[in-house]
Amino acid sequence: GENVEQHPSTLSVQEGDSAVIKCTYSDSASNYFPWYKQELGKRPQLIIDIRSNVGEKKDQRIAVTLNKTAKHFSLHITETQPEDSAVYFCAASSFSGGYNKLIFGAGTRLAVHP
Amino acid sequence: NAGVTQTPKFQVLKTGQSMTLQCAQDMNHNSMYWYRQDPGMGLRLIYYSASEGTTDKGEVPNGYNVSRLNKREFSLRLESAAPSQTSVYFCASSIRQGARETQYFGPGTRLLVL
Repeated sequence: GENVEQHPSTLSVQEGDSAVIKCTYSDSASNYFPWYKQELGKRPQLIIDIRSNVGEKKDQRIAVTLNKTAKHFSLHITETQPEDSAVYFCAASSFSGGYNKLIFGAGTRLAVHP
Repeated sequence: NAGVTQTPKFQVLKTGQSMTLQCAQDMNHNSMYWYRQDPGMGLRLIYYSASEGTTDKGEVPNGYNVSRLNKREFSLRLESAAPSQTSVYFCASSIRQGARETQYFGPGTRLLVL
């Protein structure tokens, strides 16, 4: 079945450094790739997404890149701040039969140290 | 708008007991979802409902049933709870805008089965 692998599982950086999280997906029909941030004890919230017809998208300090040929996509956070500390989930979506399903990666726990 | 709401927030059950987790959304979304979140395993889809009156199995449906009562409400039932169902359960709803289908999550229900 469809699968999304996410690496690394934990990431520790110093404030101001960059952080990169990588995901690969198995379903070549996937065409939508959102990233969610989940703070401790809170619900996952969408922070950025990218569609399969776009190679890169940026929103302030956050950017996502997509390589459809290699079936992988990445989240880049620049100038990290302590409030960026959270668990980040990538997901790959595929539309079939009128339904949208999101397959999530296992998550990356990012710790930003002051 | 309250967005997606879930009740209860926390529940303790004994093995074999039954319960229903409630979810409601006031965003007029067609699609609704139930996920479970376990440490190190991300979010796994239990059931989803593409529209009122339809439901389909996700990745881990065994031991669960769902009801899409109306467009707003989507409930998850555990008929005979097992310790393996100890988890955090998230309900979500989504709206489709072109190729994007953004999912919005509820606050979660933390379930402990003894």
